[in-house]
Amino acid sequence: GENVEQHPSTLSVQEGDSAVIKCTYSDSASNYFPWYKQELGKGPQLIIDIRSNVGEKKDQRIAVTLNKTAKHFSLHITETQPEDSAVYFCAASSPTSGSRLTFGEGTQLTVNP
Amino acid sequence: DAGVIQSPRHEVTEMGQEVTLRCKPISGHDYLFWYRQTMMRGLELLIYFNNNVPIDDSGMPEDRFSAKMPNASFSTLKIQPSEPRDSAVYFCASSPLNQPQHFGDGTRLSIL
Repeated sequence: GENVEQHPSTLSVQEGDSAVIKCTYSDSASNYFPWYKQELGKGPQLIIDIRSNVGEKKDQRIAVTLNKTAKHFSLHITETQPEDSAVYFCAASSPTSGSRLTFGEGTQLTVNP
Repeated sequence: DAGVIQSPRHEVTEMGQEVTLRCKPISGHDYLFWYRQTMMRGLELLIYFNNNVPIDDSGMPEDRFSAKMPNASFSTLKIQPSEPRDSAVYFCASSPLNQPQHFGDGTRLSIL
């Protein structure tokens, strides 16, 4: 089955700096890669996703890049703000898995004011 | 759109008791997922349904856990008997086919 590895497990940055979180996956058939943000006491919320037919997607301060050859994808947050502090999860799914996702272990991002 | 609704938000009970967690998915979503989140094991998929039918329950820890989806708008996750190691946050999520999953805010379960 699919295996998703995520790093770093914790990341601390200064407000205004950029943050990058990286994930690798094992199943070459995987074609959908969402990123979720989880705030304290809440469920994970989708922030951006990418499908395998594109290499990059951007939404304001958030971008995701995908390298299918290397089987890795990354989340980039620019101009970080204290409210970006949360746990971020990457995930992957393949056409044969229906809507089932395999999640990474999560990254605790802290943005220091 | 009310989102995925879970109840209760918090549950504290003594070991050996039966626990029932409830979930109302987003209307029109064909898939429903139950997850468990702990510090040690992260986010684990327990079971998921497609059109009310269980598709994969390989993540269910043991026979003490059971899940049902009697109709498209309701699902339950039951633990009987409960044990302290079942303490975790349990999430329900729903989605259409090959579309993003939407999560509820979870049930924080504490077994004393």
